Amino acid sequence: EAEVAQSPRYKITEKSQAVAFWCDPISGHATLYWYRQILGQGPELLVQFQDESVVDDSQLPKDRFSAERLKGVDSTLKIQPAELGDSAMYLCASSLRVRDTQYFGPGTRLTVL
Amino acid sequence: AQSVTQLGSHVSVSEGALVLLRCNYSSSVPPYLFWYVQYPNQGLQLLLKYTTGATLVKGINGFEAEFKKSETSFHLTKPSAHMSDAAEYFCAVSPGGNEKLTFGTGTRLTIIP
Repeated sequence: EAEVAQSPRYKITEKSQAVAFWCDPISGHATLYWYRQILGQGPELLVQFQDESVVDDSQLPKDRFSAERLKGVDSTLKIQPAELGDSAMYLCASSLRVRDTQYFGPGTRLTVL
Repeated sequence: AQSVTQLGSHVSVSEGALVLLRCNYSSSVPPYLFWYVQYPNQGLQLLLKYTTGATLVKGINGFEAEFKKSETSFHLTKPSAHMSDAAEYFCAVSPGGNEKLTFGTGTRLTIIP
């Protein structure tokens, strides 16, 4: 069964450093999502792509976060510089189209020291 | 704006007993409703979803949920709990299926042997 791949699974960094997360969606899925899940809370959407275009980044802290999906397939989420409050699980999901079921990857757990 | 309220951040049931996890939502248009399960350090897995039609929805692992418009609820049930059901459960809403998923804060289910 096809799955969403994410790497790394775990990342520990010091504040002010740069970090990057990678996501490879299920093949053929046009829509890709990045979520942040703070411990004890539900996931919150950071950015949504339709193919290579951003369709919603209203909750993305653009002063430090950036996301790209250059060829409309895999995607990278970057944080620079990382802050203590960025410690969270970063989840990637994909769906065939916007209204279809979202399938989640295993996530990247980020710890900022 | 849409929202989700999950009553009870922690629920404990005995193995073999009924599981009931509560979810209430608000949405300005007919909602799409979802239940996801998350095991420790893993991504979210879809249990079931309601879009339109039959209000009783059956999902994987013996779970089901009933959409009650008059009560704005979408409670999750399972007749007989199994040890493997121990996990965190998230309810989510998407108004009309066209807008982003909004998640509740989750309910951690513990199964007592």
